Amino acid sequence: QQQVKQSPQSLIVQKGGISIINCAYENTAFDYFPWYQQFPGKGPALLIAIRPDVSEKKEGRFTISFNKSAKQFSLHIMDSQPGDSATYFCAASHPLDSSYKLIFGSGTRLLVRP
Amino acid sequence: GAGVSQSPRYKVAKRGQDVALRCDPISGHVSLFWYQQALGQGPEFLTYFQNEAQLDKSGLPSDRFFAERPEGSVSTLKIQRTQQEDSAVYLCASSLLDEQYFGPGTRLTVT
Repeated sequence: QQQVKQSPQSLIVQKGGISIINCAYENTAFDYFPWYQQFPGKGPALLIAIRPDVSEKKEGRFTISFNKSAKQFSLHIMDSQPGDSATYFCAASHPLDSSYKLIFGSGTRLLVRP
Repeated sequence: GAGVSQSPRYKVAKRGQDVALRCDPISGHVSLFWYQQALGQGPEFLTYFQNEAQLDKSGLPSDRFFAERPEGSVSTLKIQRTQQEDSAVYLCASSLLDEQYFGPGTRLTVT
């Protein structure tokens, strides 16, 4: 059972454009939602994370929008750059799970054209 | 400071061999996680340690997989009698609170 559904699978954006990646979840117990960036041959790197008590969080060019009622959250990359070309994963975890393990989406491969 | 390190970075094993993968977490991080990442997929949870205690091993796919963290720092993931379906990248992550920091992974190829 896929608990976190991510879309699109791949995305092509022109330099300077906005990249938008969406995730939906089913388990209302989830309370921590991070986004990770992964380059080929590297481990995932934490970009930004949000909790359900806020609807938006911004760090530099990266913004998470969170819609608790719709059980959806999204990553917006403003002024996308070729160096942003990577695979992005959303994830979720919940406090009822004593391990706080992350449940990952299936990933979005982003290509930013110069 | 140093991040999470893993060794070896690449491992080729013949089917049926045993392998051991090492993880050095960030110093002082209490929690340590192992994940498995198949090609083109998101990481999937294998097991979790809090200090030396293995509190969750629900993601280990079979009894051929074994993990330990005897002194609460370095961890080893061991896979016995490797099978082709074990081919994947094995990621280690450590955390102090919510944020998990990942190592570069070990790419295991079983031939």
